[in-house]
Amino acid sequence: GDSVTQMEGPVTLSEEACLTINCTYTATGYPSLFWYVQYPGEGLQLLLKATKADDKGSNKGFEATYRKETTSFHLEKGSVQVSDSAVYFCALSDRNTGFQKLVFGTGTRLLVSP
Amino acid sequence: NAGVTQTPKFQVLKTGQSMTLQCAQDMNHNSMYWYRQDPGMGLRLIYYSASEGTTDKGEVPNGYNVSRLNKREFSLRLESAAPSQTSVYFCASGQVANTEAFFGQGTRLTVV
Repeated sequence: GDSVTQMEGPVTLSEEACLTINCTYTATGYPSLFWYVQYPGEGLQLLLKATKADDKGSNKGFEATYRKETTSFHLEKGSVQVSDSAVYFCALSDRNTGFQKLVFGTGTRLLVSP
Repeated sequence: NAGVTQTPKFQVLKTGQSMTLQCAQDMNHNSMYWYRQDPGMGLRLIYYSASEGTTDKGEVPNGYNVSRLNKREFSLRLESAAPSQTSVYFCASGQVANTEAFFGQGTRLTVV
């Protein structure tokens, strides 16, 4: 079945450092790919998405590019802030189902210190 | 805009007790989902409802039942709670596959 693998955390960075969180996927079809973020005590929020190969999703300074050849969707940010501290989930959805049914990675906790 | 509303936010149950987690969405979405979140496991799908009147098992359905009461509401029932069901439960709703899924704030359930 479909699956998502993302790097284990926690990832600990100083403010203004560069961030990369790796995500690779296995899917039988051509999924849509997502990054969700979970701040402490809250539910998940969509951070960005890409629906086809070579698409780049971006939001709040974060970016990720849908790479079909490497089955990857790595999350990047050039300069992190303390407020970016959260858990980040990579996820995929099989578009052929006709509805939103997400498969999640295990999550990567990011800790940013001043 | 309320979005997806879950109740209760916290609950402690004794082994063998039953309870129902409630979820309602006001975005007119066809599909609704129940996930559980456990440390190191990410979110795992328990049950989903692709449209009103239908429900299907997800990855970890054992010990749970669901009801899609109407288009807005999707409840999750634990008939006889077990300590292994201690988790954070999230309800979500969405539309087509390449659009955003919206999550509630979660229910933290502890079974002792």
